[in-house]
Amino acid sequence: DGGITQSPKYLFRKEGQNVTLSCEQNLNHDAMYWYRQDPGQGLRLIYYSQIVNDFQKGDIAEGYSVSREKKESFPLTVTSAQKNPTAFYLCASSLGQYQPQHFGDGTRLSIL
Amino acid sequence: AQSVTQLDSHVSVSEGTPVLLRCNYSSSYSPSLFWYVQHPNKGLQLLLKYTSAATLVKGINGFEAEFKKSETSFHLTKPSAHMSDAAEYFCVVSDVSSNTGKLIFGQGTTLQVKP
Repeated sequence: DGGITQSPKYLFRKEGQNVTLSCEQNLNHDAMYWYRQDPGQGLRLIYYSQIVNDFQKGDIAEGYSVSREKKESFPLTVTSAQKNPTAFYLCASSLGQYQPQHFGDGTRLSIL
Repeated sequence: AQSVTQLDSHVSVSEGTPVLLRCNYSSSYSPSLFWYVQHPNKGLQLLLKYTSAATLVKGINGFEAEFKKSETSFHLTKPSAHMSDAAEYFCVVSDVSSNTGKLIFGQGTTLQVKP
């Protein structure tokens, strides 16, 4: 079955540590997105990529970094500069702009 | 600027009764609108989408939504609620002004279904 796989499901970060969240899709979608979800809030866009080797900052990119070396993969690194990283992180993909986005099951990041 | 407002943060219904989740949007363009559902600790699943083909949009699991331009609304309805419908629902507009494909999310409505 085609879909989006996020791993790990749960992740813990120590102070000063960078952690990387994985997102892989086999839907052959060009566009991929990373969102952050906090309790009681909608989703906020961190980064997005419309094609391989290109990505743009979203609304809350500070403290995060991404890469898009392969069409199928769009990993997100939460750096030590992100002072409030505890949240639920969702990866999504779509065929292109303005098309419906398909979501993974998320990674829950917490601070040790 | 485009935006979306979900008018109720929490809706409670009894099983077998109708569901109404309200959403108003603001857009200078002809909007693309979506409803997504999120069950606990899961990703979002697309329920339905409006892209100007028809004002009444049918989605999965018996849900439908009506686009009313005069009222700038896109309310989600279902004739008869099931226990499995209990979840968080998001009304979403596609930000066509920014050329990014970015989605703008409402704050969400929690649907509780009582036996």
